Parts: sequence; C-alpha cells; structure tokens
Amino acid sequence: NAGVTQTPKFQVLKTGQSMTLQCAQDMNHEYMSWYRQDPGMGLRLIHYSVGAGITDQGEVPNGYNVSRSTTEDFPLRLLSAAPSQTSVYFCASSYERRGIQYFGAGTRLSVL
Amino acid sequence: DQQVKQNSPSLSVQEGRISILNCDYTNSMFDYFLWYKKYPAEGPTFLISISSIKDKNEDGRFTVFLNKSAKHLSLHIVPSQPGDSAVYFCAASAGSNTGKLIFGQGTTLQVKP
Repeated sequence: NAGVTQTPKFQVLKTGQSMTLQCAQDMNHEYMSWYRQDPGMGLRLIHYSVGAGITDQGEVPNGYNVSRSTTEDFPLRLLSAAPSQTSVYFCASSYERRGIQYFGAGTRLSVL
Repeated sequence: DQQVKQNSPSLSVQEGRISILNCDYTNSMFDYFLWYKKYPAEGPTFLISISSIKDKNEDGRFTVFLNKSAKHLSLHIVPSQPGDSAVYFCAASAGSNTGKLIFGQGTTLQVKP
C-alpha cells in the first residue's frame, strides 16, 4: 500500500551540482506531476505528465527537466542547482486528468 | 500573478465551533475546485471538491460553497476538532483536457481544545 514514494526525503546540494529527485507510484495512475512549496507561495506546478512518453511544463519549469519512460516513475532533474531552488518538492499522481491527486511525503532540498 | 488567493495566512478557532476558510480566484475558466489538507512533514491529502455546476458540496463535517459570480469559495468545518489543525490549500483547474492544478498560498488552521 505504498502509494506515491519520493526519495530522498532530504538533500543538501552545492550551487551548480545536479541531482535527480525520484518519484514512483504503484497505483497505475496515468497522470503525474511535480510541485514545489515555498513559504507564502503555496504549491506551484513545475512539470506534469499525462502518460508515459508525454510531459509538459507547468508554472515554474525553468531549471528542471523531466521524463516519463514508464507509467510508474516520474523523476525530476535539477540541471545546475541554484539557491533559488531551495524548497520542498512534492510529486503527485492521479488516475485521470481531473481526478484527485495523491501526493508523496515530499523531498526537502537545500542548495547552498 | 496569483490566480488563486487565500488572503488569510492563519485562523484560530475554539474546538466545537465553526471554521471558515476562504479562497478567491481570478480566472473565469476555472471550473473545478478542490481543498487539500496538509500536516507538517507530510504531503497534502485531498479533502473535498466541487464542480462549477454546483454551489455546495458536503462530506461529513466539511462543506464547500462556491459563489461563481464573486469568484469565491469557502470551506466550512463544523464542528472543528483539534485534529483539524493543519494547513489548508484550495486549488483550481480549468477544462477537462489538463490536470494542472493552481494552488492558493494556504491557510494555517489552529483548533484550540
């Protein structure tokens, strides 16, 4: 009964480093998305995918890359980390595009 | 430009009383609205939703009201319980072809025993 699993839970990076935040779901959901949560800003959509092989940009896509090679996995890549990317990142999935989104527990990222 | 706004960062109510959380939106294309609840160190969890064809939806202690002309929705919790203390986010989406949710900033609810 895992649902949406995000790894790692915490990460500290230096400016310029790259890394991948992992997201996996076991509910056979077609729709997956990545959000970042910043104080006073709520959750903002970074990228989303409506199925394997299909991705699109959200509100704040700059500095992030995604791919969707399988239904289960939707990794988020930081190409060259910047302090402005310090945030809490949430991955979510839903059965359909207008369905309820189920969230992972989040990854807290600090970029020094 | 914030399309979904929760203008009250925090709200404190007494146990047993009503909690009213408010949300305003600017995009008239939004036609589906949701409320999520978030505890510290956890991801948001779905609470209740409403389609623009309705003006009210109830689920137990939780009721969401939608006023399309005012572009305003509210979440009522009656009676409030200490376990309801959390951050509440409203979210909106437009059209059936996208799953893009636009979230408000969140309101922190504290229910005092």
